[in-house]
Amino acid sequence: ETGVTQSPTHLIKTRGQQVTLRCSSQSGHNTVSWYQQALGQGPQFIFQYYREEENGRGNFPPRFSGLQFPNYSSELNVNALELDDSALYLCASSTDSGSRYEQFFGPGTRLTVL
Amino acid sequence: GEDVEQSLFLSVREGDSSVINCTYTDSSSTYLYWYKQEPGAGLQLLTYIFSNMDMKQDQRLTVLLNKKDKHLSLRIADTQTGDSAIYFCALDSSNTGKLIFGQGTTLQVKP
Repeated sequence: ETGVTQSPTHLIKTRGQQVTLRCSSQSGHNTVSWYQQALGQGPQFIFQYYREEENGRGNFPPRFSGLQFPNYSSELNVNALELDDSALYLCASSTDSGSRYEQFFGPGTRLTVL
Repeated sequence: GEDVEQSLFLSVREGDSSVINCTYTDSSSTYLYWYKQEPGAGLQLLTYIFSNMDMKQDQRLTVLLNKKDKHLSLRIADTQTGDSAIYFCALDSSNTGKLIFGQGTTLQVKP
């Protein structure tokens, strides 16, 4: 069984650019959550997708947006990049939405904004 | 909003017990979790405890929950160098899978 994968591993962008990060969920999982982990901090919840619909959002501006596809893979898009967007972006998938379903995390995408 | 606090650093000798502490403000989370993060790796769920339990033991891991004081702890018995990592406590106050993490405690295990 393949685990959660993310691409790319690393990415360097400049301020004002746009970026798309990708996540392939674990087989059989219909829920994907995205988290931002700044250096030295714990992950912060960005949003969750459940069966292709946004199912909860954290305290992030609208320039953070996402998609979930019919195969339950997901994208995180960030527009108008700012220096503070530099972080490790983690996605996690689970068999369903809700706290009793374990979230399996991918290795993350390290984004650097210059 | 929910606030989760952890001490930032803990150093122990190999073979000793490690105790990592966490305090939180919102007590509506049904589950409370402990995650481990090793360099270059994602987060790995170590263990969790139901909010109606006081203690859970899982091999070398013991989780204690004091709901009155809103305090969660993780004890690792016979700590090994392979246990060196960052440990995060996490809650889900909306019970929807939206995890709220502490800042993480870096555990250093000296041989």
